[in-house]
Order: sequence, then C-alpha cells, then structure tokens
Amino acid sequence: DIEMTQSPSSLSASVGDRITITCRASQNINDFLNWYQQRPGKAPNLLIYTASRLQSGVPSRFSGSGSGTDFTLTISSLQPEDFATYFCQQRHSVPITFGGGTTVEIK
Amino acid sequence: QVQLQESGPGLVKPSQTLSLTCTVSGGSISGGTDYWSWIRQPAGKGLEWIGRIYASGSTTYNPSLKSRITISLDASKNQFSLTVSFVTAADTAVYYCTKNPDWGSTFDSWGQGILVTVSS
Repeated sequence: DIEMTQSPSSLSASVGDRITITCRASQNINDFLNWYQQRPGKAPNLLIYTASRLQSGVPSRFSGSGSGTDFTLTISSLQPEDFATYFCQQRHSVPITFGGGTTVEIK
Repeated sequence: QVQLQESGPGLVKPSQTLSLTCTVSGGSISGGTDYWSWIRQPAGKGLEWIGRIYASGSTTYNPSLKSRITISLDASKNQFSLTVSFVTAADTAVYYCTKNPDWGSTFDSWGQGILVTVSS
C-alpha cells in the first residue's frame, strides 16, 4: 500500500494568514493526488484534484502543487469557513489511501 | 448534480453482518461511466477506502477488507450496497458512499454519512 503522510497534524492560524500543508507519498505517485476539506460533522469535500486542478466552485485562495512524492496545499488568505480538517488522497494505486489529516484551528 | 444518501441500521452486534444502502438521485448509477465507492471513518480518525463498483457490476476491494466485504448494485432502484461480515468493534465508523469518474478515483460527490456502531 502507498502510505500518505501529512504534516503538520494540526496548526493554529489567524484569519488572513497564508498556510501550507504538506503531503508525502511513500512512493512516486506522479500527480495522482487529491485534497479534501472536512468540516466537523460533515462529509469531505473535494478541493483539488490531480495535484493542482481546482474543483469547480472552490475559491481561488486554495491551490495545490507538487508531483512525485511531495505535495502541498496552500490557502493564500484564511477565511473563517476554512477552519477545518484537510486530507490528501492518492489515486495512483489500489488500495486508494488517504493522509492522516491536518486540522486547521483558530489562533 | 448527483446526490447520494446512505441508509441502514445504526447498531450491529459483533460477529454479525453490517448492511448499508446508498440511494443515488440526479443521475443513473448504471447508465454512466462513474464508479461508486464506500469509504469509512472511525470517530476522530482518518479515511479508509473500502471498495468500489462500476456500472457494469465489476468490483475492486481494499485487500485489507476483501475477505469480509461485498459491494453490489441494483440498477432498477438506482442503489448500491455494502455488506461487511463478521463485524467487530473496529468496524465502528461513519460510512460514506461516494461517486468518482471513470478517469480516476477522485471522490467528487459524497453522501452525508451514516454512523454504524458495533456493540452487543
């Protein structure tokens, strides 16, 4: 199985901050990497697919980059609704696997 | 916009079989080119992909669960289902049904999730 490791596991930030979340794959997954946002008590919501493509309807303050084994999710200016947990997911190989999540909390 | 809704019992006894159904609206489960997957999430933990079924009925399962799970679809009801046999407390989780396009396992539509607790 491909192991996905996210860092940090949690972070505290303020509205307006720029934040970056990292995801590392245990082997080369090219750009087969997706990012999801999950608010408490809700289902995950697709933000970014194929490493850098913004899902329709997702604000442009979200961006993704990377290829191979190292990927990042950046939020350019945190908004109140962005305080949530973020997961990366590889779709290179079965079984599909997810990172452990990064919780973004209000400072 | 496709909508998905999970249904099933919220409590299952250890060693018994967990059965869930996902009802799809706004799109045909068998007429398109999408995959339909189940994903679960234990409380406070990460996401685990369980398996998927294609419109043709072909399935792919997570090897870690393969011996205990079955995913099937009922085109006449526009539903797909999950069964997990011989459940234990480790199967307690929120179960989500999802859709992804045939070009890749990108989960672009999710049900709201259903909490299943395994307890006697």
